[in-house]
Amino acid sequence: QVQLQESGPRLVRPSGTLSLTCTVSGASLGNYYWNWIRQPAGKGLEWIGRISTTGSTSYNPSLKSRVTMSLDASKKQFSLNLSSMTAADAAVYYCARQTVAYTNNWYLGWFDPWGQGTLVTVSS
Amino acid sequence: EVVLTQSPATLSLSPGERATVSCGASQSVSSNYLAWYQQKPGLAPRLLIYDASSRATGIPDRFSGSGSGTDFTLTISRLEPEDSAVYYCQQYGSSPYSFGQGTKLEIK
Repeated sequence: QVQLQESGPRLVRPSGTLSLTCTVSGASLGNYYWNWIRQPAGKGLEWIGRISTTGSTSYNPSLKSRVTMSLDASKKQFSLNLSSMTAADAAVYYCARQTVAYTNNWYLGWFDPWGQGTLVTVSS
Repeated sequence: EVVLTQSPATLSLSPGERATVSCGASQSVSSNYLAWYQQKPGLAPRLLIYDASSRATGIPDRFSGSGSGTDFTLTISRLEPEDSAVYYCQQYGSSPYSFGQGTKLEIK
């Protein structure tokens, strides 16, 4: 059974950088894409970006200038860095696995499973 | 960017009734690459439906998805108390991926 677990500091200073790691257990990282999603308290879900095992990345344009993702397949971990943090970045941050599927062609699919999420607060 | 709009925002129904949640897209969702998730308080979203109408592993057949293009529907037949949750649609047909704003389902 594949499980994902987020880890990292829960408190970030304004203008600081958030650094989170997602550790995957029960499977290797290969043949999937790996995503970060966030959810401000009481609000909806926002996709942050994804990374493949080759290091190829795609970021949400709304965050692109501040986001960096990396992956270490040997440790079965992938990471998120989000710089210039403000109060608007306070949220529960989730990591999730994205299936690579095939019908008539290969395509990037749905998110399953998700990590349990980690609440990040921005405060001095 | 594809904007997804869900309706209604809130739904209050009794056990045994049928729930219908709609998800409208601002432009056609490529190849109907749309998923539905269930989220209970304090928990991560759980995949219910992918590719608009395929049920995820372990999901009861009371949950079904339909639709194509810009209009999609999640139907929950024979509601049970544990179906109380927020339901989100998400498109993965084009980047940036996007989610609907959520529909809160309350079981009376």
